[in-house]
Amino acid sequence: TQLLEQSPQFLSIQEGENLTVYCNSSSVFSSLQWYRQEPGEGPVLLVTVVTGGEVKKLKRLTFQFGDARKDSSLHITAAQPGDTGLYLCAGSEGGSNYKLTFGKGTLLTVNP
Amino acid sequence: NAGVTQTPKFQVLKTGQSMTLQCAQDMNHEYMSWYRQDPGMGLRLIHYSVGAGITDQGEVPNGYNVSRSTTEDFPLRLLSAAPSQTSVYFCASRGTASSYEQYFGPGTRLTVT
Repeated sequence: TQLLEQSPQFLSIQEGENLTVYCNSSSVFSSLQWYRQEPGEGPVLLVTVVTGGEVKKLKRLTFQFGDARKDSSLHITAAQPGDTGLYLCAGSEGGSNYKLTFGKGTLLTVNP
Repeated sequence: NAGVTQTPKFQVLKTGQSMTLQCAQDMNHEYMSWYRQDPGMGLRLIHYSVGAGITDQGEVPNGYNVSRSTTEDFPLRLLSAAPSQTSVYFCASRGTASSYEQYFGPGTRLTVT
């Protein structure tokens, strides 16, 4: 089973600040996903990246897949309280995509 | 659209009791899966199904059974609950095994005493 390490584990910032969270592995992933989970709810998919070096933007969120497809980052510009939540990365083994491996998550709190 | 639904939302069991966690989706998705989420452990795959009549084990299958008799439903059975199975359980579905767009249900919080 491939392992995904997320950092930091916890992050508390003020509204308007920028932040970056990381998802790293020693293994190569065929695709990598980012989810956001709010308390008492299931994770919601934000983005999927499949090509090494790929960059995707979703409003104030920028996702990057490492060139070697072993790591990814999520950058949030001008964070807002509505960005508060648990951010999870998940990767699939090989080309089957049958099994997703999740990282433990980064719990982000944006204070007004 | 209802999406992925799970019942019950909360459940308390005594050690040794059995129960079934229900999961249903109305999107005609072939692929369905069950995860458990524990503090500090992230989401771990229990079982998955790539279509009606086909199931396979994930990372942590022991103590759980599944079946997939219809495309819509994917129940998770605990035959003899143990305190170690206290967790939040999520069901998820996507169009096919190779699809990226995955939808999660709202979860079932299970406590085994």
